[in-house]
Amino acid sequence: KQEVTQIPAALSVPEGENLVLNCSFTDSAIYNLQWFRQDPGKGLTSLLLIQSSQREQTSGRLNASLDKSSGRSTLYIAASQPGDSATYLCATALVGGAQKLVFGQGTRLTINP
Amino acid sequence: KAGVTQTPRYLIKTRGQQVTLSCSPISGHRSVSWYQQTPGQGLQFLFEYFSETQRNKGNFPGRFSGRQFSNSRSEMNVSTLELGDSALYLCASSLPGSAKNIQYFGAGTRLSVL
Repeated sequence: KQEVTQIPAALSVPEGENLVLNCSFTDSAIYNLQWFRQDPGKGLTSLLLIQSSQREQTSGRLNASLDKSSGRSTLYIAASQPGDSATYLCATALVGGAQKLVFGQGTRLTINP
Repeated sequence: KAGVTQTPRYLIKTRGQQVTLSCSPISGHRSVSWYQQTPGQGLQFLFEYFSETQRNKGNFPGRFSGRQFSNSRSEMNVSTLELGDSALYLCASSLPGSAKNIQYFGAGTRLSVL
C-alpha cells in the first residue's frame, strides 16, 4: 500500500526566500507524481506533473524533481511571494491505477510580506 | 474551455439522510474520480469511473456509491449519512491515454452532517 509523507507540515518564511518542500513515498512503482496547490476551502490546482521516466519538471518559479529509487520528490519555489501562500500537496499514481491518486497530508506554506 | 463543475457547492444534511453530489467533467474528458477530504484523514480516493464503468474503488463502505452517465457527467451518492461523512468532496476529470494524464479538480462540494 502506497504511503505518501510530506515534511514539514507547515512552513513560514519571509518574502523573497527560496524554499524546498519535501515528499516521500513508499512504493517506487509509480506512474507519475503530481504537485498540487490548494487555497483555503477551494479545490486543487495542478502545478507540475513528473512522469516516472522523468527526473524533473519546471514551470516559472517552480521546479519539481523526482528520485524514484529513493522514493523522494522535492518542490523548489524560487523568490517566494505572498501569493504563494497555500497548502501544497504531492500525489502519486501507481502503475495500473493511473487515476487513483494517493496524497500526502500537505505542507501549509505562509509567505510573510 | 470550462473547468470541472461540481454542484451544489454546499450542503447541510442530518444523520440518516442520503445525499447526491454532481460532477461535470471538462469537455472531452471521460474519466471522473471522486475524493473525500477531511482534516484528519486528508484526501482519500473514493472511486473512478470511465465510460460509465467503475474502474477503481477506494476503501470506503458500501454507503458510498457513484455512477457515470453517457455524457461523462458523474454523480456520487452517500446513504445513511453519519457525522463522520462531513467533508469536502472533490471530483477530478482526466483524459486517460494522454501523455501526461493530468487530473483537473473541481472546487468541491462541502457537506456538513448534523
